[in-house]
Formats: sequence, C-alpha cells, structure tokens
Amino acid sequence: SQTIHQWPATLVQPVGSPLSLECTVEGTSNPNLYWYRQAAGRGLQLLFYSVGIGQISSEVPQNLSASRPQDRQFILSSKKLLLSDSGFYLCAWIKGEGYTFGSGTRLTVV
Amino acid sequence: EDQVTQSPEALRLQEGESSSLNCSYTVSGLRGLFWYRQDPGKGPEFLFTLYSAGEEKEKERLKATLTKKESFLHITAPKPEDSATYLCAVQAGSGYALNFGKGTSLLVTP
Repeated sequence: SQTIHQWPATLVQPVGSPLSLECTVEGTSNPNLYWYRQAAGRGLQLLFYSVGIGQISSEVPQNLSASRPQDRQFILSSKKLLLSDSGFYLCAWIKGEGYTFGSGTRLTVV
Repeated sequence: EDQVTQSPEALRLQEGESSSLNCSYTVSGLRGLFWYRQDPGKGPEFLFTLYSAGEEKEKERLKATLTKKESFLHITAPKPEDSATYLCAVQAGSGYALNFGKGTSLLVTP
C-alpha cells in the first residue's frame, strides 16, 4: 500500500541548534514531495517541493533547507533554528486527486 | 495575489443541526479547489477536489459545491465525530503549491 511516514512526532529544540526532519513514502516511485508549515493562526504554507532526486524548489526565503537524497526520502533541515521556526511541519505527496499529508512534526523552538 | 478566505473561523452546532462552511477565493486560472479535514495534532485528511463551477461532490454527511468565486461545504445532520478543522485550498496557474485558507473550526455537541 502507499503510505507516507514522518518523524519525529514532536520536537523541542533550543534556539541556534540544528534540525533534521525526515519524510519517507512507500508503495510508489518518483513521487512529487512537499514540505508545508502550519503556524498558529495561519494557513498551511508551502516551504519546498521536489519532483525528483536532488531537485528542490523553494517557495519562500527562510532559515530552512531541504534535500532529496533518495527517490522516496525528503529531508527538511536547518543549521541554526530561530524562534520563528516553531510550527507544525507536514510532508505531503500527490496521490490520486488530492495531496496526502503525513502525520506531522510539532516543532517548538525555545 | 491569490487569496483564500474561509468563514466562519469557528462554528458550534448541535448534533443534527445542518450548516455550511464557506471558502471564497480570488485566483487566476483555477485548476482545483480542495477540501480537507484536520483533527488536532494530525495531518490534513483529503475530502474532495472540485475542478469547475457547478460541480458537486458528496461523502457521507458532507457535500461540497463550487461556483466561480466560492465553495461551500454543507454538513447535513452533523454528529460529534464531525468536529474538526476544515481546510480549503486552491491550486491555480502552473504552480505546484496549494494555497490554503486558515480553516473553520467546527464543534458539534451532543
């Protein structure tokens, strides 16, 4: 079956620390993958998307970066976290008519 | 600039009390309008995609409709398990991104 996995579920990190969030999909090949962020009081915002290995497009300038080292793996990273990076991070891929989202990572930067 | 506005921000219904959620949009070249359901602490769950004005889709107690300026999510005889945040998103132009509204938080009481 086609599934999407995201981890960790929750994360508390100090300001200035690095970040690595991982997303993997199963049961498909060459998917388009997306990272969204949901901040309090705001709608979901697209951060990055990838149409293939090594291909990353950024939608908004920010403190974060993304990489796609393997076909079904999408990683969100930061070298030094800011307080404003706090939020709910969601990985997604296109499955059928709609985007399918992972279970999300709640990141709190303290 | 593409805009998606959802109303009301919050809605409280009694079980069995039907109502509608609104999603108004301003985009160039609509390719699809999406409805999602999001439970607290979880990723959005896909409900419907609508592609053109006049289109309608149904799923259990939910019915989504689309005009050239807005979409409605009608909830008939809701149950407490329908309580969630309902998100609307549009995809327009040649881009990959979904542009999300801030959502309507629905609470259905017994």
